[in-house]
Amino acid sequence: DVKVTQSSRYLVKRTGEKVFLECVQDMDHENMFWYRQDPGLGLRLIYFSYDVKMKEKGDIPEGYSVSREKKERFSLILESASTNQTSMYLCASSSRGSQFFGPGTRLTVL
Amino acid sequence: GDSVTQMEGPVTLSEEAFLTINCTYTATGYPSLFWYVQYPGEGLQLLLKATKADDKGSNKGFEATYRKETTSFHLEKGSVQVSDSAVYFCALSLLNDYKLSFGAGTTVTVRA
Repeated sequence: DVKVTQSSRYLVKRTGEKVFLECVQDMDHENMFWYRQDPGLGLRLIYFSYDVKMKEKGDIPEGYSVSREKKERFSLILESASTNQTSMYLCASSSRGSQFFGPGTRLTVL
Repeated sequence: GDSVTQMEGPVTLSEEAFLTINCTYTATGYPSLFWYVQYPGEGLQLLLKATKADDKGSNKGFEATYRKETTSFHLEKGSVQVSDSAVYFCALSLLNDYKLSFGAGTTVTVRA
């Protein structure tokens, strides 16, 4: 089975802190994605990566950056966390059109 | 742009009732269509998919048929169980392995 893991299930940070969310997949997938999930808005794509060191902006990239130094790992970075970035963050990887999701990280920014 | 609209919830049903969740899409090309399910406290899981018109996806008693003429991909299950309580997301993708566009999600609660 495909396994996508995320470094934390719950995270609490202060406004202005730099935040790293890590995602690792074990199926050698080329494509990886970061979404945020908010009630009533569904999932919105922040960034995605189709190869090591390659990245593309999704629908809501403002305030975020990403890093993909190894194929299996895709990191989401909040350079200076703000309260409006309080959300559930979901990582996914894909092959053959179907995306596989991690369990999510619920981030609260105080 | 490409988008998915699904019926708003929440939906509350009794066990063994029939479930339908409507999903319609707008796309510039010929999308692949997906239903994902999110159980409480978990990430999303792929429930079923269809890649071309008239395809029927099915899994765990759920079915959805890709209807190009009505741009729809409605999810149905004939007899729901308490364990089907979850949030269901309809999604589309125009290119394999690239981004998915999701609907807002429909929360389904099944009562014993």
